[in-house]
Amino acid sequence: DTGVSQDPRHKITKRGQNVTFRCDPISEHNRLYWYRQTLGQGPEFLTYFQNEAQLEKSRLLSDRFSAERPKGSFSTLEIQRTEQGDSAMYLCASRDSGGRSTQYFGPGTRLTVL
Amino acid sequence: RKEVEQDPGPFNVPEGATVAFNCTYSNSASQSFFWYRQDCRKEPKLLMSVYSSGNEDGRFTAQLNRASQYISLLIRDSKLSDSATYLCVVTVLNTGTASKLTFGTGTRLQVTL
Repeated sequence: DTGVSQDPRHKITKRGQNVTFRCDPISEHNRLYWYRQTLGQGPEFLTYFQNEAQLEKSRLLSDRFSAERPKGSFSTLEIQRTEQGDSAMYLCASRDSGGRSTQYFGPGTRLTVL
Repeated sequence: RKEVEQDPGPFNVPEGATVAFNCTYSNSASQSFFWYRQDCRKEPKLLMSVYSSGNEDGRFTAQLNRASQYISLLIRDSKLSDSATYLCVVTVLNTGTASKLTFGTGTRLQVTL
């Protein structure tokens, strides 16, 4: 399967713990996005990478959130000191550098904070 | 006010019916428009792009009215397999920016026998 992959698919954690998610984009895609989706809402943009550079961050991305894409391939999203409000589906998407190219989404990581 | 507004539904229609979804967007700088489909507990998948002249893909027709900042999706001859949430999506394309997708809340469609 050459699509976007995410790991883990599900994560249950206790409030206050740190969690880290991984995204592997489609191999030739240099642009990578993280979105968050809560129940009954559409996905909301969190952050964007072009190659290894993090070029844009949403105001939703508090200082407890950090994202990296160290070699311009896979990306990680870490949430420190998780809160119940962090419970959501975290989606990763990638696209190539074409001006109007489509973003392809991974299956998401569903986070539940108890 | 949300940047992209949709009626959340649900729309319950019988098989074979025609159903239409509408969406409005507030950012007049929006340049690209899409409908994504999302099945329950799955990721969004691109259904179709929306062009100013309107476009059709089989049973699906999308329309864009830039003056009214309004997008529509028409599904003809609904199938059970069309049951899903349909997300209206806009983006601003600028060199050097994210070209991030801005989603509506989605409209849920349930097609019944």
